[in-house]
Amino acid sequence: DQQVKQNSPSLSVQEGRISILNCDYTNSMFDYFLWYKKYPAEGPTFLISISSIKDKNEDGRFTVFLNKSAKHLSLHIVPSQPGDSAVYFCAASKPGSSNTGKLIFGQGTTLQVKP
Amino acid sequence: KAGVTQTPRYLIKTRGQQVTLSCSPISGHRSVSWYQQTPGQGLQFLFEYFSETQRNKGNFPGRFSGRQFSNSRSEMNVSTLELGDSALYLCASSPSTGEQTQYFGPGTRLLVL
Repeated sequence: DQQVKQNSPSLSVQEGRISILNCDYTNSMFDYFLWYKKYPAEGPTFLISISSIKDKNEDGRFTVFLNKSAKHLSLHIVPSQPGDSAVYFCAASKPGSSNTGKLIFGQGTTLQVKP
Repeated sequence: KAGVTQTPRYLIKTRGQQVTLSCSPISGHRSVSWYQQTPGQGLQFLFEYFSETQRNKGNFPGRFSGRQFSNSRSEMNVSTLELGDSALYLCASSPSTGEQTQYFGPGTRLLVL
């Protein structure tokens, strides 16, 4: 069963505008969430993370929002730049020794930023 | 600081063969996790190693194995390759087991013919 879902396979935005990528999860035991960006032929690059005790985390142009009651998180990129065009993955982890080292990933959303 | 490195970057094997992939974590990182990425299943966790011990394992058959050396470098091995093993194999490192942010290498693209 898919515990982390990214329901939009793709998103297209104009340069300078806001990009909003969404992610839903089903397991309330997740306590840490991450966003990664992936270019073709490269590994995922860590962007930003958020602990379940917070509802917002910012780093430069990137902000992640967490809504625990809705089991939903989103990544906002403002302003969007053509270099942001990539596949974005949402990932989650659970505490406990049986979950160590394990991230559970969504299927990814392809973002295209048009000049 | 150098990032995670993986060798080789590309590999072609035939069914029934075995393969060994290598991963060198970021300097000072002692936890290494391995993932398989396929178009159908996405990114799936294989296993994690810390202090030369497997700490966690994903839902993969026993043909998939790994190990970690005292310098934290890790290898994964797939025996009796099947066509479905064709995938991008990614290694990720973190400072310690339990650290939830992982940093990924470029991956090894394996094609099984």
